[in-house]
Amino acid sequence: DAKTTQPNSMESNEEEPVHLPCNHSTISGTDYIHWYRQLPSQGPEYVIHGLTSNVNNRMASLAIAEDRKSSTLILHRATLRDAAVYYCILIRRGSGNTPLVFGKGTRLSVIA
Amino acid sequence: DTEVTQTPKHLVMGMTNKKSLKCEQHMGHRAMYWYKQKAKKPPELMFVYSYEKLSINESVPSRFSPECPNSSLLNLHLHALQPEDSALYLCASSLTRGETQYFGPGTRLLVL
Repeated sequence: DAKTTQPNSMESNEEEPVHLPCNHSTISGTDYIHWYRQLPSQGPEYVIHGLTSNVNNRMASLAIAEDRKSSTLILHRATLRDAAVYYCILIRRGSGNTPLVFGKGTRLSVIA
Repeated sequence: DTEVTQTPKHLVMGMTNKKSLKCEQHMGHRAMYWYKQKAKKPPELMFVYSYEKLSINESVPSRFSPECPNSSLLNLHLHALQPEDSALYLCASSLTRGETQYFGPGTRLLVL
């Protein structure tokens, strides 16, 4: 399975943009890049996913490098509610698709 | 309804007890998952059910016994657990394997 590498922790000021990086140098052509986050005392929740093109939704944006070896999750204005552990995960589509394998993730702290 | 519910929220059991964790979803999802999460660690996959059939067992000890009685319900039967099995047990579901997963809030288990 392709692996991802994320910083252990990051800090942001409230209402500032946050860029959370993820390296996945061994990504294959059928691997989708997914981001989940886990708020304190809750189960993980889906944030966004993409394959090649940048993606936007109401929660965040996902910027994918042209060679797909890295990606960045962008929170446009961090709020205290965004303090969580963010997981970047690769999921291979197709008949042999595999379930989520969580890496260590990035713990995001948001300062008021 | 985009919710996965888990009961109970908390469970304390002795090493000789038998108990069950329950997970329910009414989103029409045909894949359901059990994860185990220790404190400060990422979730680890235990079991995957696809169309009510067990498709992945990640070498989980037999004291954990999953059951999928129908497409909406997933149980995890616990017997003769050890104190090191104390953890947060998370259930998730997805439309099919490999799709976005929706997680429940988890059951926090303490084995004495």
